[in-house]
Amino acid sequence: ELKVEQNPLFLSMQEGKNYTIYCNYSTTSDRLYWYRQDPGKSLESLFVLLSNGAVKQEGRLMASLDTKARLSTLHITAAVHDLSATYFCAGRTSGTYKYIFGTGTRLKVLA
Amino acid sequence: DVKVTQSSRYLVKRTGEKVFLECVQDMDHENMFWYRQDPGLGLRLIYFSYDVKMKEKGDIPEGYSVSREKKERFSLILESASTNQTSMYLCASSTTGRAETQYFGPGTRLTVL
Repeated sequence: ELKVEQNPLFLSMQEGKNYTIYCNYSTTSDRLYWYRQDPGKSLESLFVLLSNGAVKQEGRLMASLDTKARLSTLHITAAVHDLSATYFCAGRTSGTYKYIFGTGTRLKVLA
Repeated sequence: DVKVTQSSRYLVKRTGEKVFLECVQDMDHENMFWYRQDPGLGLRLIYFSYDVKMKEKGDIPEGYSVSREKKERFSLILESASTNQTSMYLCASSTTGRAETQYFGPGTRLTVL
């Protein structure tokens, strides 16, 4: 059964700093997703990573996937206050439509 | 843009009431999902549907049922609401295919008293 773990659960960082959120998963997942959720809002898709070595970037966020290590990372470069949100990763059990989410990382960027 | 709408943003019900949560998507997506979101637990899948009248249980289906009579509409039913079903409920839809992505509705915050 696929399990997805994120760390850290909470992250408070200064503007301008870099940091990485980690997402480990337990068994084969044929894809890895990253979502953002602002307080009181729903989830917004950020990235879909489909293969080993996949890297995607959007602005100050970059996501990567290492299927051999069963690890995805979301790297934040030169954080700004607008990036404050909760970030979720999710995997999908191969051959099904069953998505498993991590518990989320609440990011707070301090001015 | 994909739009997923949910019938209510906030709902307050009493224990034992039958509760209907409605979700509608306007992009002809095959797949639809119901999740509940609780602090510290992330999102947990209740049910999903990959076609009209087709459904599959997720991780926490107990106490819930679903209905999908039309492709664009997916309903979550709490047959007899209980206080432990107080939660945020999120509906999502997606296409099929290699790069499928889930699109989420705004959520319904349900309180059961």
